[in-house]
Amino acid sequence: SQTIHQWPATLVQPVGSPLSLECTVEGTSNPNLYWYRQAAGRGLQLLFYSVGIGQISSEVPQNLSASRPQDRQFILSSKKLLLSDSGFYLCAWSGWRSSPLHFGNGTRLTVT
Amino acid sequence: AQRVTQPEKLLSVFKGAPVELKCNYSYSGSPELFWYVQYSRQRLQLLLRHISRESIKGFTADLNKGETSFHLKKPFAQEEDSAMYYCALRETSGSRLTFGEGTQLTVNP
Repeated sequence: SQTIHQWPATLVQPVGSPLSLECTVEGTSNPNLYWYRQAAGRGLQLLFYSVGIGQISSEVPQNLSASRPQDRQFILSSKKLLLSDSGFYLCAWSGWRSSPLHFGNGTRLTVT
Repeated sequence: AQRVTQPEKLLSVFKGAPVELKCNYSYSGSPELFWYVQYSRQRLQLLLRHISRESIKGFTADLNKGETSFHLKKPFAQEEDSAMYYCALRETSGSRLTFGEGTQLTVNP
């Protein structure tokens, strides 16, 4: 069966420090991969999605970037964190077209 | 660009009462609509999708293209239905999934 792993579960980082959140999927190949940010009162905001290795689509201009170095690995990064980057980040995968999204447990990021 | 609107951030009902969570969308193509649910301390997970036309945990949702709505309904709410509910739209190309802002449902005893 397919599983999705996302880590760390919580992270506290100072302003200006770098960020790397990792997400991996097992049990499937060539998944679509997604990074969302969940904020109270603002719902789920799509940040990036990828349909293949090295293919990244960015949804909103921001201080973050994403990379997909391997088929089932999706990384969310920042060179210098801002206070406004604090939030709950969710990774998700789906199969092609009509299959639903499957979410990871999320990472609670606090920038201090 | 597609947009999903859930007009109610909070919804509170009593156990046994009917419940309807509203979802409206705007999209120029032929959309695929979903409802996702997040129970306390659990992952966000799929509840149902319009193409399946199924009832999950007593919930149903009908896609109304004329009104561009996909409201979630249950005739008799249960306390365990208390959760955050998100409506989502997948575009025709099948890659992007756009979510609404979510509705926090509380079912009181």
